[in-house]
Amino acid sequence: GNSVTQMEGPVTLSEEAFLTINCTYTATGYPSLFWYVQYPGEGLQLLLKATKADDKGSNKGFEATYRKETTSFHLEKGSVQVSDSAVYFCALRLQGAQKLVFGQGTRLTINP
Amino acid sequence: DSGVTQTPKHLITATGQRVTLRCSPRSGDLSVYWYQQSLDQGLQFLIQYYNGEERAKGNILERFSAQQFPDLHSELNLSSLELGDSALYFCASSVDVGGGVDEQYFGPGTRLTVT
Repeated sequence: GNSVTQMEGPVTLSEEAFLTINCTYTATGYPSLFWYVQYPGEGLQLLLKATKADDKGSNKGFEATYRKETTSFHLEKGSVQVSDSAVYFCALRLQGAQKLVFGQGTRLTINP
Repeated sequence: DSGVTQTPKHLITATGQRVTLRCSPRSGDLSVYWYQQSLDQGLQFLIQYYNGEERAKGNILERFSAQQFPDLHSELNLSSLELGDSALYFCASSVDVGGGVDEQYFGPGTRLTVT
């Protein structure tokens, strides 16, 4: 079936550290890929997306590249801030479908 | 603020009871989605409505049902509640112009606790 696997959390980093959160997927066809962020007590917000192979999504210093050959969409940020502390979800959406299939989420804590 | 509103924010009820969760989509959005976030199952799609009609169904239990009204707000009804139904229930909405590329905007969620 269609699924998303994220690296296990929680992840704890110091401010200004480099961040990578791994995400791999299994899907039929060519899905669109997404990263969502959930801040404490809030709903999910779309962070970035990519709709085809080799596309790079970017927003707020975060980046992720759609790698079809490795079925991956790893999230990266060069220098994290305390305000980046949140839960991050990788998700896919199949072509022609609307529902999102989410990974299990990765809790990120940034210490000053 | 995503523009999607959900009520109530918190709900505490007993096993066997029935509750209704309400969602108002962003202005202009025709599609409403319901998702359940629980510790053991993660974030799972339950059901989608588009302009009043059911469009897609996910892992929704038979004890759960939903509907979308003419004013496009939606309600998720959960009945014969069990302890395992305790979760955060999110509603999302999108314009849904076709092609599967429009963004889903999520509400803040309703936290249901079944005791």
